[in-house]
Amino acid sequence: QQQVKQSPQSLIVQKGGISIINCAYENTAFDYFPWYQQFPGKGPALLIAIRPDVSEKKEGRFTISFNKSAKQFSLHIMDSQPGDSATYFCAASINSNSGYALNFGKGTSLLVTP
Amino acid sequence: NAGVTQTPKFQVLKTGQSMTLQCAQDMNHEYMSWYRQDPGMGLRLIHYSVGAGITDQGEVPNGYNVSRSTTEDFPLRLLSAAPSQTSVYFCASSYKRGSLNTEAFFGQGTRLTVV
Repeated sequence: QQQVKQSPQSLIVQKGGISIINCAYENTAFDYFPWYQQFPGKGPALLIAIRPDVSEKKEGRFTISFNKSAKQFSLHIMDSQPGDSATYFCAASINSNSGYALNFGKGTSLLVTP
Repeated sequence: NAGVTQTPKFQVLKTGQSMTLQCAQDMNHEYMSWYRQDPGMGLRLIHYSVGAGITDQGEVPNGYNVSRSTTEDFPLRLLSAAPSQTSVYFCASSYKRGSLNTEAFFGQGTRLTVV
């Protein structure tokens, strides 16, 4: 079953607005939470990631907020630009010696209108 | 560095045919994995490897085989292609910093159609 639930499925934001994408998980063993950005015809690329020892991480216009007790994390894109139009995936993984497997959400298609 | 290279980029197969999707990385990463991406489903793990000679199954392994004879290469074999295997396939490589997971690097993908 889907271990990471992502919403919304699609999002339309005006240029300059804030885009917010939410994810929730059940497995408390997850300890690495990356967000990937994917443009059409390309592979996903890491945007920003967080570990559960912090509640927020900011890189430029992109911020992850992490709520360990609620088992939720979200991506905020400030001052959204048309070039941010892409599909965004949240993911979660467990640090273990048995491997590195990313559990992905189903993705959010973001359109930023001029 | 070329990063993660996948070949071919596009492929059409007939039901029942077999083929191998190639994946190579030049970053000396120990971890490699294969995902399939279907509309509305996100990316789902097929198989992964923690090093040469070591592989394991992911969420959707049926109909696929893998092997890892070198650090650089991780081919994915479709044994007898079925229309349900029509998808975009991504190979990824990654490493650990100490004991911590870090960034996974993805290839450009192989778009496979089975008719």
